[in-house]
Amino acid sequence: ELKVEQNPLFLSMQEGKNYTIYCNYSTTSDRLYWYRQDPGKSLESLFVLLSNGAVKQEGRLMASLDTKARLSTLHITAAVHDLSATYFCAVDWDNYGQNFVFGPGTRLSVLP
Amino acid sequence: EAQVTQNPRYLITVTGKKLTVTCSQNMNHEYMSWYRQDPGLGLRQIYYSMNVEVTDKGDVPEGYKVSRKEKRNFPLILESPSPNQTSLYFCASSPTYNEQFFGPGTRLTVL
Repeated sequence: ELKVEQNPLFLSMQEGKNYTIYCNYSTTSDRLYWYRQDPGKSLESLFVLLSNGAVKQEGRLMASLDTKARLSTLHITAAVHDLSATYFCAVDWDNYGQNFVFGPGTRLSVLP
Repeated sequence: EAQVTQNPRYLITVTGKKLTVTCSQNMNHEYMSWYRQDPGLGLRQIYYSMNVEVTDKGDVPEGYKVSRKEKRNFPLILESPSPNQTSLYFCASSPTYNEQFFGPGTRLTVL
């Protein structure tokens, strides 16, 4: 059974600081996705990582994938309040379909 | 506007009364999926469909049914809802092996 873990589950940080969210998964996969969810809202796609060593950046967020270590990171640079949300990673592990397992989410609060 | 729509957005029902939550997408995506979101458990996949007439179970399929008779629609059916199916439900669609686009969610309460 595939397990996807995220660390930390809760993160409170000050504006301007840097931090990294980690996503570990327990089986082989080279397809990993990051999503953002604002309170009371739906999920919004942030990054699609489809190969070992993939790195994507958008604004203050950068995501990477190491399939050998089964690890993805979401790095936040110089956090701002608008980044406050819950961040989910999701792993697509089925080579014959699209069977997604989501991590539990990391709730990020950026304080002024 | 490209979007995934779900109806209803909110539903309160009683145990055993059959219900259907509709999901429709206008992006011609092959792949569609249903999830439930519960506090502390993240999103769990209920069923997914790779194309018309092709569906498969996700991690938590018990108590749910789906069908994919048209590419754009993927309804979720609860034939005999129970209180443990009280949850927030999301439908999603995507081109194969790509990011998913999520609907706005349906909050279901089963009394």
